[in-house]
Amino acid sequence: GENVEQHPSTLSVQEGDSAVIKCTYSDSASNYFPWYKQELGKGPQLIIDIRSNVGEKKDQRIAVTLNKTAKHFSLHITETQPEDSAVYFCAARGFITQGGSEKLVFGKGTKLTVNP
Amino acid sequence: EAQVTQNPRYLITVTGKKLTVTCSQNMNHEYMSWYRQDPGLGLRQIYYSMNVEVTDKGDVPEGYKVSRKEKRNFPLILESPSPNQTSLYFCASSFSRGGGYTFGSGTRLTVV
Repeated sequence: GENVEQHPSTLSVQEGDSAVIKCTYSDSASNYFPWYKQELGKGPQLIIDIRSNVGEKKDQRIAVTLNKTAKHFSLHITETQPEDSAVYFCAARGFITQGGSEKLVFGKGTKLTVNP
Repeated sequence: EAQVTQNPRYLITVTGKKLTVTCSQNMNHEYMSWYRQDPGLGLRQIYYSMNVEVTDKGDVPEGYKVSRKEKRNFPLILESPSPNQTSLYFCASSFSRGGGYTFGSGTRLTVV
């Protein structure tokens, strides 16, 4: 089945710097790649996603890139702010089983700390 | 407000005492799923449902049951909880196979 590796597990940056989180996946059938932000005491919240027919997507200070050949995708946060501090999860979704059931597999998360 | 509501938020119980964690969504989503979150292991899928009366196992289904009798509700049942089921649980829903999930706020379960 699908396996998603996420690096680094912790990341500390200074306010205003950029942060990059990288993920690799194993199933070439995966076609949808969301990123989630989890603040302390809350559930994960979708912040950006990308589909397999697109190489890059941007939303203000957040961007995601996808390299299907290498089977990796990355989250880029520019001009980081203290409120960006959270745990970030990448995920990959594909049609895994014969019945067409879909499955979302998550990376293990990256704890981002933005220091003022 | 569009949301996924889980109850309770916190629960402490004893080994073997049956419990149910409820999940309800108000977005008319077809897809719903349960995850558990443990330190160092990330989010692992327990069960998911593609529609009413259609459920399937995730990665860690042992010790759990689910049902989907109504579109909006997807309860998680632990018939005989054990300490290794102490975890943070999240319910999530999605409008389609290709859509992103909306997560609930979580249920922190402790089994002693």
